[in-house]
Amino acid sequence: GAVVSQHPSRVICKSGTSVKIECRSLDFQATTMFWYRQFPKQSLMLMATSNEGSKATYEQGVEKDKFLINHASLTLSTLTVTSAHPEDSSFYICSASSSGANVLTFGAGSRLTVL
Amino acid sequence: GNSVTQMEGPVTLSEEAFLTINCTYTATGYPSLFWYVQYPGEGLQLLLKATKADDKGSNKGFEATYRKETTSFHLEKGSVQVSDSAVYFCALSVSNTGNQFYFGTGTSLTVIP
Repeated sequence: GAVVSQHPSRVICKSGTSVKIECRSLDFQATTMFWYRQFPKQSLMLMATSNEGSKATYEQGVEKDKFLINHASLTLSTLTVTSAHPEDSSFYICSASSSGANVLTFGAGSRLTVL
Repeated sequence: GNSVTQMEGPVTLSEEAFLTINCTYTATGYPSLFWYVQYPGEGLQLLLKATKADDKGSNKGFEATYRKETTSFHLEKGSVQVSDSAVYFCALSVSNTGNQFYFGTGTSLTVIP
């Protein structure tokens, strides 16, 4: 079946640095990718929707300059947390779907800890 | 609008007990309905889905029936195991929203031996 690989699974960084998280669809072309943030014991919060070759659409309240999303190819989307601060510590999950498909495939998530 | 209301947890059951996690929805169009499961420290995995009224999704002993008249998609399992301990998310997708999914708040299930 469809597989989405997310990397890194865990990352620890110092405050003020930037961190990039990659999301790859391994065996299908992902025309749309979604980025979520999940706080402990809470549901998924949709951050942004990215379509290949176009700018991401951010949800209300999500800072586009802080959470940079790039979807340069049909198999890769990246989320860069710029100038990270401790409050950005969270579990970030990507998901992908192919054109016409009505199923989301999720990555395993990335645990970001900002010291 | 589109939304999912899910039974609040946490839920704790003994092994082999019967499980029901309630889920109801509102949708502007004709939704597809899903249950996703999240094991500790992992992403979400599709557990089952149903795309039209009266469809029953099933997988690993779990079942859910798409009930349009009650706008519900309750998850059931006849005999839970310790390995079923996880967080379960009900979700819907409406085709006119470009594959955007709407998730419930999640229900944490712990099964004790």
